[in-house]
Amino acid sequence: AQSVTQLGSHVSVSEGALVLLRCNYSSSVPPYLFWYVQYPNQGLQLLLKYTTGATLVKGINGFEAEFKKSETSFHLTKPSAHMSDAAEYFCAVRNSGGYQKVTFGTGTKLQVIP
Amino acid sequence: DGGITQSPKYLFRKEGQNVTLSCEQNLNHDAMYWYRQDPGQGLRLIYYSQIVNDFQKGDIAEGYSVSREKKESFPLTVTSAQKNPTAFYLCASRDLKSNTEAFFGQGTRLTVV
Repeated sequence: AQSVTQLGSHVSVSEGALVLLRCNYSSSVPPYLFWYVQYPNQGLQLLLKYTTGATLVKGINGFEAEFKKSETSFHLTKPSAHMSDAAEYFCAVRNSGGYQKVTFGTGTKLQVIP
Repeated sequence: DGGITQSPKYLFRKEGQNVTLSCEQNLNHDAMYWYRQDPGQGLRLIYYSQIVNDFQKGDIAEGYSVSREKKESFPLTVTSAQKNPTAFYLCASRDLKSNTEAFFGQGTRLTVV
């Protein structure tokens, strides 16, 4: 069974500081990996995804993530936090065959301090 | 514009009543999903469907039912057997023919009083 672990349910950074949100996954097959962002009372919006190929993936709003197979990690980073980045972030994994379930982590709320 | 529409956005029901949440998509996606979101628990999969007239239980299917009579529609019924139905419910869809991500609706917040 696949699973996702997000370390830290709440992360606080100062405006302009580095953002690092951690995600580790478990999957018996090569995974597809995703990061989504959610603003209050809204649906989820895709930030970036890894399917195959280059392991460093760039997404919207200056975010990027690196797939590290040896560490089973897919951490999300942004060099400089902006106030508008304050939201909840979800890491997700999807298997590649059969019934394609998408499994989400428990989320990390990012607070940006002015 | 293509997208996923969930309705209503807010729903109130009395305890013991069944309630149906609507999810419609015009993206021509094969797969559709229902998730439940509770604070601190992330998104948990209730049901999913990859083809019309077929669906699979997710991790927390007890007390819920779905149907997939049309490709565009995947309604979720929260039955009286669901012990704690108050939550935020999210519907998503995805194109199975490509490695695309799931697209989400704006959610329905269900409050049972």
